[in-house]
Amino acid sequence: NAGVMQNPRHLVRRRGQEARLRCSPMKGHSHVYWYRQLPEEGLKFMVYLQKENIIDESGMPKERFSAEFPKEGPSILRIQQVVRGDSAAYFCASSYYRDSDEQYFGPGTRLTVT
Amino acid sequence: EDKVVQSPLSLVVHEGDTVTLNCSYEVTNFRSLLWYKQEKKAPTFLFMLTSSGIEKKSGRLSSILDKKELSSILNITATQTGDSAIYLCAVHTGANSKLTFGKGITLSVRP
Repeated sequence: NAGVMQNPRHLVRRRGQEARLRCSPMKGHSHVYWYRQLPEEGLKFMVYLQKENIIDESGMPKERFSAEFPKEGPSILRIQQVVRGDSAAYFCASSYYRDSDEQYFGPGTRLTVT
Repeated sequence: EDKVVQSPLSLVVHEGDTVTLNCSYEVTNFRSLLWYKQEKKAPTFLFMLTSSGIEKKSGRLSSILDKKELSSILNITATQTGDSAIYLCAVHTGANSKLTFGKGITLSVRP
């Protein structure tokens, strides 16, 4: 029973490039959450998605960041024109129910912007 | 703005010691408090505490929620080196689906 999968685990991008982070939720889960963890900081909520819908994007920066969870395939967090401040660990979590308290986390993608 | 504060930020103990990790919160519409253990990978779920379940125990780990004091503790008895990790506290509110996390407590258990 596979858990939440994220890829790549490590991603290096130069300033100005695009970063695409993928998340496959646990089997049977249709709710996905993205969090960002900056050095010395706790995890910060970014966005909550269901299949084909963005439910809550209150933690997402207004520019350069977007997320989707298509009917088929993984959820994708996209960061355009990356800057050094985007360097962080990005975690995805999934849940079975809407508004579920129990969210199960993936191993994260560590993004480094050079 | 919802806030979760954990203390201490880091802790070093020896195997066999008992540790207590603290978490306090200021949130609107509290629904549940969760503890996670984070090693060099995914945060793994430990406990969820709600108004109807304020005390949980699993092996050497136990946790209590104090709704009056808006806080929770995570106790680890007879610590082992494998307990070395970052322990995260998060609060779920009824207003939306996000978890609000504290900065985490780094626990190091020395042999």
